[in-house]
Amino acid sequence: EPEVTQTPSHQVTQMGQEVILRCVPISNHLYFYWYRQILGQKVEFLVSFYNNEISEKSEIFDDQFSVERPDGSNFTLKIRSTKLEDSAMYFCASSEGIYNEQFFGPGTRLTVL
Amino acid sequence: AQTVTQSQPEMSVQEAETVTLSCTYDTSENNYYLFWYKQPPSRQMILVIRQEAYKQQNATENRFSVNFQKAAKSFSLKISDSQLGDTAMYFCAFRAQETSGSRLTFGEGTQLTVNP
Repeated sequence: EPEVTQTPSHQVTQMGQEVILRCVPISNHLYFYWYRQILGQKVEFLVSFYNNEISEKSEIFDDQFSVERPDGSNFTLKIRSTKLEDSAMYFCASSEGIYNEQFFGPGTRLTVL
Repeated sequence: AQTVTQSQPEMSVQEAETVTLSCTYDTSENNYYLFWYKQPPSRQMILVIRQEAYKQQNATENRFSVNFQKAAKSFSLKISDSQLGDTAMYFCAFRAQETSGSRLTFGEGTQLTVNP
């Protein structure tokens, strides 16, 4: 059965460094999402992406974040200058249509030191 | 803005017994969807069950069923004949049909442990 995959599973970085989290959505899906979960807190929506542009973003998704679909398979989340408070589990998801089930990846644990 | 609340951080149940996980939500939307997601240890979240707000009939999926009380804004998950593989974190989630696009709003999660 097709799955959403994410790499790396764990990323450790120094504060101020740029990180890129990678996701491979399910191949026939058209909508892509990033969520994050800070330890002990709720899973929070960051951004949704369709037709090569952001369709919706939350107040968390500020100028230090960006998303890209650089080729036909990958979907990336870039954090330009990481802060300690960016430490979290980042989940990628994809769906076939805007109201279809969102399928989640296993997450990337980002640790900012 | 929508909020989702799961007031039970942890629950446990004996194998083969029934357990109910609670979820309440707050919204001014009239058309929306509610979901229960399951996240087993070190695995991705998977959808367990969904409920459309316009449907009065409670959704069921095999051993999983919901009790949807729209007026009370309550959406509980009942797991019957619990199995060891049901051990997981369970998240309740909300999605508005129209105004908030496709974003999911999650509750805090309930860690369910099924004991042998």
